Amino acid sequence: GENVGLHLPTLSVQEGDNSIINCAYSNSASDYFIWYKQESGKGPQFIIDIRSNMDKRQGQRVTVLLNKTVKHLSLQIAATQPGDSAVYFCAENAGGTSYGKLTFGQGTILTVHP
Amino acid sequence: NAGVTQTPKFQVLKTGQSMTLQCAQDMNHNSMYWYRQDPGMGLRLIYYSASEGTTDKGEVPNGYNVSRLNKREFSLRLESAAPSQTSVYFCASRISAGLYEQYFGPGTRLTVT
Repeated sequence: GENVGLHLPTLSVQEGDNSIINCAYSNSASDYFIWYKQESGKGPQFIIDIRSNMDKRQGQRVTVLLNKTVKHLSLQIAATQPGDSAVYFCAENAGGTSYGKLTFGQGTILTVHP
Repeated sequence: NAGVTQTPKFQVLKTGQSMTLQCAQDMNHNSMYWYRQDPGMGLRLIYYSASEGTTDKGEVPNGYNVSRLNKREFSLRLESAAPSQTSVYFCASRISAGLYEQYFGPGTRLTVT
């Protein structure tokens, strides 16, 4: 998962495999979580989000799971494609009057081999 | 609809020089944010503007100033650049309370020598 120092976690998969990217968050008051994808040289791009009153949410080829008991978030990508290769970040919002501020994890590098 | 735009895309400064990074959004969003991203790290919030006319410090504000010029534009200024400010800078915007998704610009890669 994330929360690693300067060396980002990496995940290498074959095209067509399912990928699971993990994230540990620290703030038990966080009420909203989001996954971003960042391709080389570009800004982060929204993938999927989930509120703390849910434990699972599905999108197109992606599923986010939230386990509040252990403060863990995961992103599952089905039938991974080479175009999915990127750095993936989880982010959390602390709720209350945080004005929508997001705290980002350090990222996981996903490499998909054809 | 261009989303969030940033200028310049690349910049090289000498230590002590000043510059302003520009950001504009055309989505009528209320909140805007400035982040920096260093190698091997996630994004860290420098400053944010919850709404037009307000600005607040984020996690790493030292050495920076911001101006929310109007609802569309949010600029970041480095008064006296230092090598530690070498980074990629991202601007983001968000529509309103209750919706937390932020939309990011393409970034400005800044090198301070």
